[in-house]
Amino acid sequence: AQTVTQSQPEMSVQEAETVTLSCTYDTSESDYYLFWYKQPPSRQMILVIRQEAYKQQNATENRFSVNFQKAAKSFSLKISDSQLGDAAMYFCAYRSESGKIIFGKGTRLHILP
Amino acid sequence: GAVVSQHPSRVICKSGTSVKIECRSLDFQATTMFWYRQFPKKSLMLMATSNEGSKATYEQGVEKDKFLINHASLTLSTLTVTSAHPEDSSFYICSARSLGSSSYEQYFGPGTRLTVT
Repeated sequence: AQTVTQSQPEMSVQEAETVTLSCTYDTSESDYYLFWYKQPPSRQMILVIRQEAYKQQNATENRFSVNFQKAAKSFSLKISDSQLGDAAMYFCAYRSESGKIIFGKGTRLHILP
Repeated sequence: GAVVSQHPSRVICKSGTSVKIECRSLDFQATTMFWYRQFPKKSLMLMATSNEGSKATYEQGVEKDKFLINHASLTLSTLTVTSAHPEDSSFYICSARSLGSSSYEQYFGPGTRLTVT
């Protein structure tokens, strides 16, 4: 069975600084997707960034980028120029070939003004 | 963009009663919908996968007779919590995957907070 591990329950970063959230996963599948979702206080899940496992190039979306290390089964999220609106719960997620999404336990990110 | 709605957003019901939660894809057809449960400050736990026109597939440990799922059309799935108890109080979130999806993405609803008194 696939598992997703986020080892940082909480993190804080100064506004305008850079922060990296860690995620590791375990799978025997060769074709899958990885995601980072943001859940603000409204509880609405918002897709931040996705990575196809077959792509070697790391995905980037504006201030958000990932470091995808397939062999190590690692998928970290880097947020550059942190903003107050980035404060939220961040979930790393794995989408299996069946379409199921498995979420990590989340990392609560605090932005310090 | 793809929008998924849930109704109601909040519901309070008495112990022993049943409550129905609707999940609708507003601007696309969803062959597959997923139901998640989220406890306070916890992650999302997949409860079941719902395919239009067929029986839902439940995750291990989820009581299918307690959490009835119906996916009667390509835009609507319902979750009915039967004989609710206080321990069923939680935040329930649905997501939908579009028809013909080579699409990787699921679109999430805003969630429903259920409180059982």
